[in-house]
Amino acid sequence: DGGITQSPKYLFRKEGQNVTLSCEQNLNHDAMYWYRQDPGQGLRLIYYSQIVNDFQKGDIAEGYSVSREKKESFPLTVTSAQKNPTAFYLCASSIGTGWNTEAFFGQGTRLTVV
Amino acid sequence: DAKTTQPPSMDCAEGRAANLPCNHSTISGNEYVYWYRQIHSQGPQYIIHGLKNNETNEMASLIITEDRKSSTLILPHATLRDTAVYYCIVRVYGGSQGNLIFGKGTKLSVKP
Repeated sequence: DGGITQSPKYLFRKEGQNVTLSCEQNLNHDAMYWYRQDPGQGLRLIYYSQIVNDFQKGDIAEGYSVSREKKESFPLTVTSAQKNPTAFYLCASSIGTGWNTEAFFGQGTRLTVV
Repeated sequence: DAKTTQPPSMDCAEGRAANLPCNHSTISGNEYVYWYRQIHSQGPQYIIHGLKNNETNEMASLIITEDRKSSTLILPHATLRDTAVYYCIVRVYGGSQGNLIFGKGTKLSVKP
């Protein structure tokens, strides 16, 4: 089936460690996004990529890094520089970034720092 | 900041129509209105979007006022599975081209 796959669903990390969240799509979408959601809040954009080998910072990029070496994949690394990494992370993709294209979301990764 | 305003919560009886309002008074002429919903601990699900005409699909109807400053999402026969947070979003053009800016949404509770 076509869709967006995020793994793992739950992730625990020790303070001071980097961790990478996976996001894969087989929808042949050019654009991919990473959002963060805190309890009771809306989604905030971390990074987005409109095309392979290109990505842009969103509103809360500090402490995060991404890569886009393949069209299907957009991994997010949460670095030790991120002060408050415990959150629900959502990946999305869309055909493009035009105003008339809907985005499709994965099921999320819940990261807990212990 | 989100460019839309929604009530924080609403209740609806099962089988009745759920009408979810959204204000977007600063919307510009070529910005679309999108609706997504998020069931607890899952990724948001696309529902519908529109520019200025009313839209309908298998999930819902979207009614946009003539001045485009507000819209209403209608779930014609709400079921318990429609309990979720509903987000009204204006697709923003600019540095984050096409970025979806999510506010806090409306928590819809469908009751038996």
